[in-house]
Formats: sequence, structure tokens, C-alpha cells
Amino acid sequence: DQQVKQNSPSLSVQEGRISILNCDYTNSMFDYFLWYKKYPAEGPTFLISISSIKDKNEDGRFTVFLNKSAKHLSLHIVPSQPGDSAVYFCAANGGSQGNLIFGKGTKLSVKP
Amino acid sequence: DAGITQSPRHKVTETGTPVTLRCHQTENHRYMYWYRQDPGHGLRLIHYSYGVKDTDKGEVSDGYSVSRSKTEDFLLTLESATSSQTSVYFCAISDGTWLEQYFGPGTRLTVT
Repeated sequence: DQQVKQNSPSLSVQEGRISILNCDYTNSMFDYFLWYKKYPAEGPTFLISISSIKDKNEDGRFTVFLNKSAKHLSLHIVPSQPGDSAVYFCAANGGSQGNLIFGKGTKLSVKP
Repeated sequence: DAGITQSPRHKVTETGTPVTLRCHQTENHRYMYWYRQDPGHGLRLIHYSYGVKDTDKGEVSDGYSVSRSKTEDFLLTLESATSSQTSVYFCAISDGTWLEQYFGPGTRLTVT
């Protein structure tokens, strides 16, 4: 059973608007969450992370929100730019050796 | 960018042949990982290493073996390639401190 779920396979947003990507998890033992961005034919790139002791982490245009009671996190991109068009993966720490469990990804398209 | 290279970048092989993929890092990171990415599945962990000669299985390890004889190299071997192993393979590294993993550019493997 999937422990990290990204229920929206795709999202389309207008340039300049906010993009909100969602992620749900089932294991309450997860205590660290990460977002990765992936362009075609490239490896995933680390974007931003959040520890379970926080409910928000911000880095420039990117903000991640964590709602532990709902086992839900979201990535906000404001303002969205065409260069943000990529597949975004949510991940959670899955073990003591730093293993990550990934969601299936959401493809974001930002239209000019 | 983290110094991670993967070789080969593309490979086509026949069913039943052995295949070895190489991951090389210049960051002296302790942890190294092999993932595969398939449509509808996101990234799934195959094997990982937490030090020289220390390896363990991930979620989808059947049909794969790994070796790590030096800190900088992590090899993934498909002992007898099958069509179900057609995929894009990513290597990742981590120093374990912050849990972020940094990915290589990937190897596209096609088994005919």
C-alpha cells in the first residue's frame, strides 16, 4: 500500500499565479519530508524539506506546509513561472539509513 | 551540483544478458542509493549502501545485486535482464546528516 500519495497526476497553472501541490502520507512515524523537482531526461533535484517539528518552511518562492494531524503536506510556488514546469515528487524518510519513500509525482505545467 | 555520474547513460540489451550500471561520486558521501523510475510508480528504491561493503535491500530488489568496494563507486547488476527491468535508473548520494539525497542524471535501460 502506498505510504506517500500524490493524488493529482497533473496540474496546470497560469504564469504569475500560485501553484499548490499536495501530498498525503499514512505513516505517522515519518518525521522528515522533502520535495524534489524533475525535468525530462534529468535526475530529480532537491527543492525544499520540512521536519515534523515545524509546520512551515519557506525558501524564496517555495513554501512547504505540514499538517501532521491530517498527515498532509503541500508545496506552494508563488509566483509560478514557466521554468517551474516539471514533475514534482513528494518524499518521506522511510528508515534509519535515510531511505526515502516517494510519491508518484505531479506534473506541473505553468502556461505563459 | 553534487558530483555524481552514471554510466552508461543509455543501454539496450537482450533478455537474459547480465548488465552492470555504475554510479560514481566525488563527494565522499557515506550513503548511496539505486532507484528505478517507471510511469505510474514514481521512484522506487532497489538497493542502498551505508558504507564500503555495507549494502541492504530496498523495496524492489528482486533480480538485482549491488557492490560497493570503494566509497566513490556503487555498482548495480542485473544478473539476467528481463523486459520488466526496462526502466530509468537513478543513483543518489547522501551524507546522512540532513537526509537530502542528491541524484545522478540517470541511465535509460531497455531490455528487448
